Amino acid sequence: KNEVEQSPQNLTAQEGEFITINCSYSVGISALHWLQQHPGGGIVSLFMLSSGKKKHGRLIATINIQEKHSSLHITASHPRDSAVYICAYPAGNQFYFGTGTSLTVIP
Amino acid sequence: NAGVMQNPRHLVRRRGQEARLRCSPMKGHSHVYWYRQLPEEGLKFMVYLQKENIIDESGMPKERFSAEFPKEGPSILRIQQVVRGDSAAYFCASSPGAPPYTGELFFGEGSRLTVL
Repeated sequence: KNEVEQSPQNLTAQEGEFITINCSYSVGISALHWLQQHPGGGIVSLFMLSSGKKKHGRLIATINIQEKHSSLHITASHPRDSAVYICAYPAGNQFYFGTGTSLTVIP
Repeated sequence: NAGVMQNPRHLVRRRGQEARLRCSPMKGHSHVYWYRQLPEEGLKFMVYLQKENIIDESGMPKERFSAEFPKEGPSILRIQQVVRGDSAAYFCASSPGAPPYTGELFFGEGSRLTVL
């Protein structure tokens, strides 16, 4: 069964804090995506990774294929990072999505 | 190069009316996917289409919902006789290649349907 679990569901941080969002999935996958969704807004792709680690600015994504786990880290968090972060993977004709982690960064 | 374009961004309908949501994929993309996002839930697959063909509609409710992607023009998701439970954000995504697709996923801004 294709399941994606994210933790935490909600996260509040002070500006400047290091943030970690976790994603666990139940089946073998070829790639995992991290997405960002601002309130009332569209969905933007942040990362696509199949192994190891990727970095883009203050964002770092890691994946452990054997443990079926991925993490998204945000260094030196900023209020503009406030959004919902979603992990997803492709299988068959579709993507399977986590329910998202809602992040609020307080100035 | 415009991204995935969806319209309308917001749509209000009364129960029993019809809702039509449109999606123009990115230039060069011939594969379109519709997803529904209910409040407090993750995105759920509805349908996958290529030009003029419905490839996979396994996530679409059997009644009242239909989708098309004509040779010319945008893909359309049609909901007939809307009910309050249809209130959700409907997202369209597109890709240049067929699934399983492991490239970047491109989404539209979504169409938010509210049924009164």
